[in-house]
Amino acid sequence: EAGVAQSPRYKIIEKRQSVAFWCNPISGHATLYWYQQILGQGPKLLIQFQNNGVVDDSQLPKDRFSAERLKGVDSTLKIQPAKLEDSAVYLCASSSSGTDYEQYFGPGTRLTVT
Amino acid sequence: GNSVTQMEGPVTLSEEAFLTINCTYTATGYPSLFWYVQYPGEGLQLLLKATKADDKGSNKGFEATYRKETTSFHLEKGSVQVSDSAVYFCALENTGGFKTIFGAGTRLFVKA
Repeated sequence: EAGVAQSPRYKIIEKRQSVAFWCNPISGHATLYWYQQILGQGPKLLIQFQNNGVVDDSQLPKDRFSAERLKGVDSTLKIQPAKLEDSAVYLCASSSSGTDYEQYFGPGTRLTVT
Repeated sequence: GNSVTQMEGPVTLSEEAFLTINCTYTATGYPSLFWYVQYPGEGLQLLLKATKADDKGSNKGFEATYRKETTSFHLEKGSVQVSDSAVYFCALENTGGFKTIFGAGTRLFVKA
């Protein structure tokens, strides 16, 4: 079974530029998560989708971050404009619905904002 | 609000030593508790989990018991190996699979 795919793996941009990350979850997984992991910290949930609907986006900085999950499969996370403090690894994870909520994580995208 | 606190690292041990990484949590309701591991150069992966009080999760020689009375979920292993060197994250998830909260992570180094 293929795992969670993310691209790009690395991205360097200047502050005030825009960037987008892409995630393809495990086939059949209804729930998709985006996390931000700042160096030395644990992952912080930004947004959680159930199929193509948003379940939780309470920690998403909506003035600059946006995310969508068209057709309930792939998802994109966008930052516009980026700030220095957005430098982090952005992790995508997916899980199936039901009683087993194990999340499967992708390799992440390391973003550096200069 | 809900939170997870785990012991600061790094933790450095010799091979075959006993490992304990402490984790305590604050939560309303009855969360599920998890330990995730991140090996060098790899993504996060689930190590073990427990979904109710007094449950014991175990995998690869690691164990953790869900202690509601002390709000703890400490990770233990009787004899660590060099290959266990990684960052370990304690996490909780609200009932229904919502809003996972991770601790800050504990880096483990095991020397041969």
